[in-house]
Amino acid sequence: QVQLVQSGAEVKKPGASVKVSCKASGYTFTGYYMHWVRQAPGQGLEWMGWINPNSGGTNYAQKFQGRVTMTRDTSISTAYMELSRLRSDDTAVYYCARSRRYSGSYYDYWGQGTLVTVSS
Amino acid sequence: NFMLTQPHSVSESPGKTVTISCTRSSGSIASNYVQWYQQRPGSSPTTVIYEDNQRPSGVPDRFSGSIDSSSNSASLTISGLKTEDEADYYCQSYDSSNHRVFGGGTKLTVL
Repeated sequence: QVQLVQSGAEVKKPGASVKVSCKASGYTFTGYYMHWVRQAPGQGLEWMGWINPNSGGTNYAQKFQGRVTMTRDTSISTAYMELSRLRSDDTAVYYCARSRRYSGSYYDYWGQGTLVTVSS
Repeated sequence: NFMLTQPHSVSESPGKTVTISCTRSSGSIASNYVQWYQQRPGSSPTTVIYEDNQRPSGVPDRFSGSIDSSSNSASLTISGLKTEDEADYYCQSYDSSNHRVFGGGTKLTVL
């Protein structure tokens, strides 16, 4: 069965970086895009970008350009999202979510979420 | 880019039917598929409708989706409401760069 298992909660200081992992199992990792979506406390969902695990190609939301880096390690079927120069308003639950490789494909599986808290 | 606007909240009684709207600010709602996600408190979202009106396996046929070009909006309709349907619902679409756009979410209360 398909599973996306994310790394544990993180607490970071403003200005630091955080790297969240998402380990995929139960399917061919390179056959699907991996997206990252975040949700601030009590707020809605915000799309951050996606990575094509097959090619390593990425597509980021303009809001996060220059601060976010999405990578993957195909040998261990794991995708990563690194966000730098953290601010307090980056405090959120970060989700990975899988989609098929065509434009606009929906998310059929989600990770359990990783809480990132940014606080001095 | 465009925005998707949803009502903040809706409420209805068990057994009734409720419709949640999602209005696109610019460009045609029909030009890019719309998805709908359900999120219960403390849980990850799950898909209830994809590609405007398709239901993933396991989603009951009480859930249906549609688009209306005249109002440039998509709608999620839930019939025969159950208390377990109480959740936040998000619409989502995408632009020509394959950037995803989420609506602000609608809190459904079944009272």
